[in-house]
Amino acid sequence: KNEVEQSPQNLTAQEGEFITINCSYSVGISALHWLQQHPGGGIVSLFMLSSGKKKHGRLIATINIQEKHSSLHITASHPRDSAVYICAVWGETSGSRLTFGEGTQLTVNP
Amino acid sequence: GAVVSQHPSRVICKSGTSVKIECRSLDFQATTMFWYRQFPKQSLMLMATSNEGSKATYEQGVEKDKFLINHASLTLSTLTVTSAHPEDSSFYICSARDVSGARWETQYFGPGTRLLVL
Repeated sequence: KNEVEQSPQNLTAQEGEFITINCSYSVGISALHWLQQHPGGGIVSLFMLSSGKKKHGRLIATINIQEKHSSLHITASHPRDSAVYICAVWGETSGSRLTFGEGTQLTVNP
Repeated sequence: GAVVSQHPSRVICKSGTSVKIECRSLDFQATTMFWYRQFPKQSLMLMATSNEGSKATYEQGVEKDKFLINHASLTLSTLTVTSAHPEDSSFYICSARDVSGARWETQYFGPGTRLLVL
């Protein structure tokens, strides 16, 4: 079992739909990172959070430390949101090393 | 926001040659940089942690003589794939940790380098 698991692995939505991507982890963490990887390969950091909720534009990230679970929400999805979304955690005992989930491939159709 | 650059973005080379990839933090100092490789449809795999002024720490299964890492300054780390073979073809990504920020976990990713060995 991976230390970081994401669901779903693949997600197809219509433009305008509300998207939720889930991340569960099995280790104690100091922080969690949501990343976005576009088809060209470059990775953009979306959020880094250790508690509560953060919002940036149409993106919302939440984390529940007790339940070891985080969600990434996209409101009013758009085709340009199509990308791979990756959850990564800093374990409490892993120093500065990130442990990555397998990623969720999101496709938003016009 | 903080920017990490990689050069080259894409390289095609013949089997047996060596390829150097540069990773630079453009507007911050990075005492630690990380090198990852990513195969198609897979997540990032940490290869090594590069610390400025000291030897890199390699992950299990990563050959240090094959993947030479040099972190000579606070803004530059290089990964050299020596005697490259087709199985080294992959997407290589670096990230840099900004130690000047309020949160030590802040980490920024480069755009990646796609290596194809013929």
